[in-house]
Amino acid sequence: AQKITQTQPGMFVQEKEAVTLDCTYDTSDPSYGLFWYKQPSSGEMIFLIYQGSYDQQNATEGRYSLNFQKARKSANLVISASQLGDSAMYFCAMRGGTGGYNKLIFGAGTRLAVHP
Amino acid sequence: EPEVTQTPSHQVTQMGQEVILRCVPISNHLYFYWYRQILGQKVEFLVSFYNNEISEKSEIFDDQFSVERPDGSNFTLKIRSTKLEDSAMYFCASSLRLAGHNEQFFGPGTRLTVL
Repeated sequence: AQKITQTQPGMFVQEKEAVTLDCTYDTSDPSYGLFWYKQPSSGEMIFLIYQGSYDQQNATEGRYSLNFQKARKSANLVISASQLGDSAMYFCAMRGGTGGYNKLIFGAGTRLAVHP
Repeated sequence: EPEVTQTPSHQVTQMGQEVILRCVPISNHLYFYWYRQILGQKVEFLVSFYNNEISEKSEIFDDQFSVERPDGSNFTLKIRSTKLEDSAMYFCASSLRLAGHNEQFFGPGTRLTVL
C-alpha cells in the first residue's frame, strides 16, 4: 500500500537559514508524483512544488527545492533563506501508484517555526 | 489568479442533521476532489469526481456521503446525517489533468462542527 512518512513533527530554524523537511514514501508503482503543500495557521492548503517519478532533475520553485532520491524513496523539501512567513505546517503528498491514480495521500506533516 | 472557493467557511450543525458543503472549482478544471482534515491530523482523501461521476472513493466515504455537480460551476458534498466524528475541515480541490504535473488546487476549506 502507498504510504508517506514525515518523521519530524516539529522543526525550528533561524530566519535566513536553510531548513530541510524530510519525507519518505512507499509505493511499488514506477509512475507517481510527489507534492509538498504548506498550511499556514489560517488553514488553507498552498501548493509549493511537484516532482514526477520520471523527472531527471530535482524540482525547484523559487526558495523551495526538492531533494529527490528515488532509490531511497525520499523527497525532502529544502527551504532556503527562511522567512518568518514560512512558519506553517508542511505536508508531503503522493499521487498515483497502486493505491489509486487520482488521490493524494498525505503524510502527518511537519510544523516549521521560523525564529527571528 | 483563478482559485477554488468554498462556502460556508464555518458550519455548525446538530448531530443527525444534513449538511451541504459547496465548492466552486477553477473554471477550466476537469477533476474534482473532497478531502477532510480532523483537527491536528493529516489530510485524508474522500472522493474524486470526473465527467459527472465518482472516479474513486475512500472507505470514509460511506452511504452518508454524496457528491454532486448540479450545474457547470458548483461541486457539492452532502452529509446526510452528521455524526460527532464528522467534525473536521473539509477541503475541495480541483485539477486540470489527471497525470503528470497536475497539482491539485485546494480551496480555503469549510470547518464543520457537529454538536
